[in-house]
Amino acid sequence: DQQVKQNSPSLSVQEGRISILNCDYTNSMFDYFLWYKKYPAEGPTFLISISSIKDKNEDGRFTVFLNKSAKHLSLHIVPSQPGDSAVYFCAASVGNNNDMRFGAGTRLTVKP
Amino acid sequence: DAGITQSPRHKVTETGTPVTLRCHQTENHRYMYWYRQDPGHGLRLIHYSYGVKDTDKGEVSDGYSVSRSKTEDFLLTLESATSSQTSVYFCAIRISGGIYNEQFFGPGTRLTVL
Repeated sequence: DQQVKQNSPSLSVQEGRISILNCDYTNSMFDYFLWYKKYPAEGPTFLISISSIKDKNEDGRFTVFLNKSAKHLSLHIVPSQPGDSAVYFCAASVGNNNDMRFGAGTRLTVKP
Repeated sequence: DAGITQSPRHKVTETGTPVTLRCHQTENHRYMYWYRQDPGHGLRLIHYSYGVKDTDKGEVSDGYSVSRSKTEDFLLTLESATSSQTSVYFCAIRISGGIYNEQFFGPGTRLTVL
């Protein structure tokens, strides 16, 4: 029962362009959503998050959008840089519940 | 850097042997977690702890046990390892008072069960 889904295993974009990573969820009780970035042989690192009371959160080049009616969120990276090449995981939880659910990840490749 | 270390970083073992993985933190955070990462599944919660001797099961707890006798250490034990437990294991901590439930992860342990 995968409650958080990232349907694109991989994405390739050109340096300087926008990267859009998508995530869908099925549990309507989720109210905290997070994105993590993972480089090979390292642990995931927290990138950006959003509460369900908002529909957008921005931090520098990274913006997360939440569409509650569609149970969909997306991460926009503008402009994309080669150093952004990594696996990105979407995650969701109910309040501060310890049972955080992760998507399977999307591998982003930014080409110079 | 949330001061999380994991040991060992790599381990190869045989089916049926016991294995213990250690997670150590230096900042006395209350909440600690064990996840496994597998292709096609992302990260899945195995067990978590909300204080010394206080633990609970996660999504994929079968075949695993945990212990937390000190705030700084959270141990994950595979009593009798199976090939299906070949995975990368990550420990994480949560900083109390964090607004969005952010968790911070250690570097991981790659476990291979032959």
